[in-house]
Amino acid sequence: NAGVMQNPRHLVRRRGQEARLRCSPMKGHSHVYWYRQLPEEGLKFMVYLQKENIIDESGMPKERFSAEFPKEGPSILRIQQVVRGDSAAYFCASSPPGLQNTGELFFGEGSRLTVL
Amino acid sequence: AQSVTQPDIHITVSEGASLELRCNYSYGATPYLFWYVQSPGQGLQLLLKYFSGDTLVQGIKGFEAEFKRSQSSFNLRKPSVHWSDAAEYFCVLSEGASKIIFGSGTRLSIRP
Repeated sequence: NAGVMQNPRHLVRRRGQEARLRCSPMKGHSHVYWYRQLPEEGLKFMVYLQKENIIDESGMPKERFSAEFPKEGPSILRIQQVVRGDSAAYFCASSPPGLQNTGELFFGEGSRLTVL
Repeated sequence: AQSVTQPDIHITVSEGASLELRCNYSYGATPYLFWYVQSPGQGLQLLLKYFSGDTLVQGIKGFEAEFKRSQSSFNLRKPSVHWSDAAEYFCVLSEGASKIIFGSGTRLSIRP
């Protein structure tokens, strides 16, 4: 499967636990974006990363949330000490490098976090 | 500032009827424009895109969109909708990798 892969697809956590969401971009893509979608709402931008660099994290909550995209391996969105309000679908998208990048995004199927 | 407006939050059309979803943008030059569709419980899929050239673009699933610079619009159309078209539709503007702006989405329901 050459598409954007997200796992887990579903994650259940109790309040105070940590959630780790992983995203493997499409082959050859070096840009990764994370979005959050609350029930019955649109997509909210969280963070934009390139390999080993955070380019724009203007949509990330200041506390408890962090993201990385290491040189090797998937991008990780980490949520510490989860609260019920973190329950949402988290979507990852990727795009190609350089001049090929028009902003067209290729989305994964999402990771649905439920906080009990 | 750049922005994308989808004025219709929810639209219901009858199966077989025509469809037009509105999208207006604010941008100083000609942007890259996209329409994505999100079926329930799924990720987003690209329907079509406009970069330059012919202002009427064809997409997948029988959709098309027309770029109208004078009206700053990029409306999505389909001549005859099917029940499977029920989904959320997002209009998106970008100026490259670092500036991607989503509209708030339009939810399409299909009346049998």
